Amino acid sequence: GAVVSQHPSWVICKSGTSVKIECRSLDFQATTMFWYRQFPKQSLMLMATSNEGSKATYEQGVEKDKFLINHASLTLSTLTVTSAHPEDSSFYICSGGANLNEQFFGPGTRLTVL
Amino acid sequence: AQTVTQSQPEMSVQEAETVTLSCTYDTSESDYYLFWYKQPPSRQMILVIRQEAYKQQNATENRFSVNFQKAAKSFSLKISDSQLGDAAMYFCAYREPTSGTYKYIFGTGTRLKVLA
Repeated sequence: GAVVSQHPSWVICKSGTSVKIECRSLDFQATTMFWYRQFPKQSLMLMATSNEGSKATYEQGVEKDKFLINHASLTLSTLTVTSAHPEDSSFYICSGGANLNEQFFGPGTRLTVL
Repeated sequence: AQTVTQSQPEMSVQEAETVTLSCTYDTSESDYYLFWYKQPPSRQMILVIRQEAYKQQNATENRFSVNFQKAAKSFSLKISDSQLGDAAMYFCAYREPTSGTYKYIFGTGTRLKVLA
């Protein structure tokens, strides 16, 4: 299957700082990517839909000013957690696909905010 | 709103035996996709099997098969000849139809333990 990479795989930051997570499709182009958040022992919760060349669509309850999404090219979407706080600590996963009938997931990024 | 329910938080199966994981969903749509994903300790999501709602035939992938009951909105996963490597979290997922936003909605997951 297709490959999606995420960088970094884990990050520790201080409260109040911003963290950028990259999601890349390595062997396909994706006009749409998705960002999920997963708390320990819980399911994946969709945060937002990232659209290449246009604004992201956020799910209800997700602060768009806190979780900035940029889909600058057909192979790269970024999620920036601004002014991170300990409650933002979580596992963040992105997904993408050459077509929307199949999504490939990145390996995830573990964010720890001290 | 569409929902996906996995009523079994945890299941155990003896190696080489068969186990069935349950999933029910709620939707008013007639055309949609259903998926089972596996998440091992590495946290990497891996597609196990996919079913298109318009297809009556149950999907099969080697030792993995589904029992898709559209009227009952049920989508169970059967794992035959269970192997130690099958131990993982299994998530059932529903994908909104082509007229929608292509979002995936995941169930709460079932942790599968395989006993040697």
